[in-house]
Amino acid sequence: SQTIHQWPATLVQPVGSPLSLECTVEGTSNPNLYWYRQAAGRGLQLLFYSVGIGQISSEVPQNLSASRPQDRQFILSSKKLLLSDSGFYLCAWTRTSSGNTIYFGEGSWLTVV
Amino acid sequence: GENVEQHPSTLSVQEGDSAVIKCTYSDSASNYFPWYKQELGKRPQLIIDIRSNVGEKKDQRIAVTLNKTAKHFSLHITETQPEDSAVYFCAANSKTSYDKVIFGPGTSLSVIP
Repeated sequence: SQTIHQWPATLVQPVGSPLSLECTVEGTSNPNLYWYRQAAGRGLQLLFYSVGIGQISSEVPQNLSASRPQDRQFILSSKKLLLSDSGFYLCAWTRTSSGNTIYFGEGSWLTVV
Repeated sequence: GENVEQHPSTLSVQEGDSAVIKCTYSDSASNYFPWYKQELGKRPQLIIDIRSNVGEKKDQRIAVTLNKTAKHFSLHITETQPEDSAVYFCAANSKTSYDKVIFGPGTSLSVIP
């Protein structure tokens, strides 16, 4: 069966510090991978998606970046965090064929202070 | 661009009553419509989905209907229970760029005992 893991689960970072959130998927190959952000009490904002190694598309302009160094690994990064980067970050995956269920990781709570 | 609207944003019902959440989508090529439930502090979990070749689907107390002509779909929860209290997200796949999933803004459902 397929599983998705992301870490760390929670982190508190000062403004201007770097960020790295990691996500891995097991039990499948060539998944589509996604990073979503959810501000407190708000909806799911798609940040990045990837259809293959090294292929990253950004949905919104921001100071975050994403990378996919391996088929089942997706990393969200920032060089300098802003207060507005605080939120609940969710990694997710789908199979590459059309109309497949999106599965979310456990989420990472980021508080920028 | 692609868009999914969802109403109401908040919904409060008495235990045992029914709850209905409605969504509309903009991409006429969408053919997959999942619904997710997100409890406080947790990741969204798929509760039911429907594909465009079906008008209605039911799973115990939960049902979803789809009107492709009007680009509407709805979630119906009957005999609501306090554990149904959560945020519910509708979604639709978008085929205008790649097969990504667009989420509605969410409905916060409270079931009053």
